[in-house]
Amino acid sequence: GQQLNQSPQSMFIQEGEDVSMNCTSSSIFNTWLWYKQDPGEGPVLLIALYKAGELTSNGRLTAQFGITRKDSFLNISASIPSDVGIYFCAGRGAGGTSYGKLTFGQGTILTVHP
Amino acid sequence: GAVVSQHPSWVICKSGTSVKIECRSLDFQATTMFWYRQFPKQSLMLMATSNEGSKATYEQGVEKDKFLINHASLTLSTLTVTSAHPEDSSFYICSARSRTSGPNEQFFGPGTRLTVL
Repeated sequence: GQQLNQSPQSMFIQEGEDVSMNCTSSSIFNTWLWYKQDPGEGPVLLIALYKAGELTSNGRLTAQFGITRKDSFLNISASIPSDVGIYFCAGRGAGGTSYGKLTFGQGTILTVHP
Repeated sequence: GAVVSQHPSWVICKSGTSVKIECRSLDFQATTMFWYRQFPKQSLMLMATSNEGSKATYEQGVEKDKFLINHASLTLSTLTVTSAHPEDSSFYICSARSRTSGPNEQFFGPGTRLTVL
């Protein structure tokens, strides 16, 4: 099946620093999504990307859909303590048996020190 | 809008018992619901997809007789873990999609923590 490689696995940063994480895949996706999950909660959608090359911002968050449709990155600028959580990328299948299903990356655990 | 709830939020049961988890779309009609499983510090793994009124489609490796899914109405899907064992302990999360939501929109529930003793 399709797999997403998300990195880094964890990050420990100081408040105010910028953060960058990315996902790569051997398969093509027609949509990339970025979610944040707080402990004991379900994921919450942060940004959705629909076209190759698309760059989208949501407040301090910026994400891009790679030109090859096999990768995406998420940047968080000027981090604050409430940014703490697990960030997941997810790709929506482009075809075959994976069409329409979401495949999730392994997650990036973000810790922000005040 | 687009709120999905799950009940219970956590459950502890003895090995061999069955546990039912409910997933409800509170303010929209969910034509499709998804069930995921998440182990600690790991990713979400899709278990099955259910469309209202039809049988669920299970992912490879997921035992359909072990994880019974019912999507009997447009606002409710249930996951029953039958004869639960300690290895079934996990965080189970549902998500839902409506007719009017975009093809990429899935609204996630808050999850249910299952612990099997």
